[in-house]
Order: sequence, then structure tokens, then C-alpha cells
Amino acid sequence: QVQLVESGGGVVQPGKSLRLSCAASGFSFSKHAMHWVRQAPGKGLEWVAVISNDGSNKYYADSVKGRFTISRDNSENTLYLQMNSLRPEDTAMFFCARDLIDGDFVWGDLDSWGQGTLVTVSS
Amino acid sequence: SSELTQDPAVSVALGQTVRITCQGDSLRSYYASWYQQKPGQPPLLVIYNKFNRPSGVPDRFSGSRSGNTASLTITGALAEDEADYYCSSRDSSGDHRWVFAGGTKLTVL
Repeated sequence: QVQLVESGGGVVQPGKSLRLSCAASGFSFSKHAMHWVRQAPGKGLEWVAVISNDGSNKYYADSVKGRFTISRDNSENTLYLQMNSLRPEDTAMFFCARDLIDGDFVWGDLDSWGQGTLVTVSS
Repeated sequence: SSELTQDPAVSVALGQTVRITCQGDSLRSYYASWYQQKPGQPPLLVIYNKFNRPSGVPDRFSGSRSGNTASLTITGALAEDEADYYCSSRDSSGDHRWVFAGGTKLTVL
């Protein structure tokens, strides 16, 4: 079955960097676009970024553009999120999620989610 | 960027029908996806492409759209349907970005 497992979260000081990983299994990872979505404690969901199935196209929310970089290694079935210049308002649970329909087009329907990894930005 | 809005809280009596709505300009151009989230769990996709249900989602969940409003209807609500529900759609700016509404807390009485 589809499994997504995030890792790399932790406590980090403002201005520092962190890299999140999402290990995928149970499906053809290289065929699906992948997303990162975050959720601040007690708050709603916020879409963060998406990468196309072959990694050639990447898009970001305005709140993270220029600071975060999404990438993937299809040979390792792993999705990444490099987060630089972290701010206290980046504190959140970060989820990776699979775009439901495989192919070159990004549909934005997220049918499989990991359990999340918690990022806390605090001095 | 676009914005999607939902009522913060809705309640329904056990076994009754409830509609959760989501409004936004992007919904005139793009279909909404709907997610259910229970405490301590990741979101679960319940409706996509306006009215499609992923495998395993009960048929008491249905979706629709009219103008700039998308709706999630639960027909015959069960206690297990108590959760937060979020709608999402592509940003109306035309960029490949997505947006979530603030969510609706559904209470089953």
C-alpha cells in the first residue's frame, strides 16, 4: 500500500536551515507529482509547494518562495524540502502528499499523506 | 492569490444531512477537493474533481458546485464524521499554486 514517511523535523533557531525528507513506497513514485503541506499548531492547512513527477517544474506558496526549495530523487523514491531562513511563523507540522492522478499534469488532489514531521522555529 | 472561505463551525444531528460550503473566485474556474481531518491524523481526501470519491470513502459523502461555491454534503451523518473539513482548489491567478480554506469543524450531536 502507499506509504509516505516524513523525517527531518526538529527545533531550530530563527534564521537557520532544515531539510525535510519524505520516503515513499508502495507506488510508482516517479509517476506522481508531490506536494508539501503544513499545519501550524491548532490552525488550518497551508499548501507549501509542489514538484512535478520528473522534477522539472516546481511551484511555491508566496509565504515560502525564495526561502524553501522542493526537490526529489526518483531513484531513491524520496521527496525533499530544503528550508532556509526559517522564521517563528514557519513552526508547523509538515506533511508530504501525493497527487492522486499520475502523469505530467498536476491536479492538486492529494490522496495519500504522511503522518507529518514537526518543525519548531524558536530561539 | 485567491482566497477560499468556510464557516468555522457547523453542527448536525445524528443521522441528518449537513452541507459544508466553500466560497471563492477560484471555484468558478477550478473544482474543489475536500479533506477530512480528525485530531492527530493527517487529512483524508473525501471528494475530488467536484464530485468524485476516492476508493473507500462512503457514498454518504458527495460534492457539488454552483458558481463560486463548492459544497460537501454528508447524507445521514454518523458520529465518526465529526472532524475538521477543508476545501482546496487551485489558485485563480493561473499559477500552479493551491490554496486551502480555513476549515469547518463539524460536530455531530
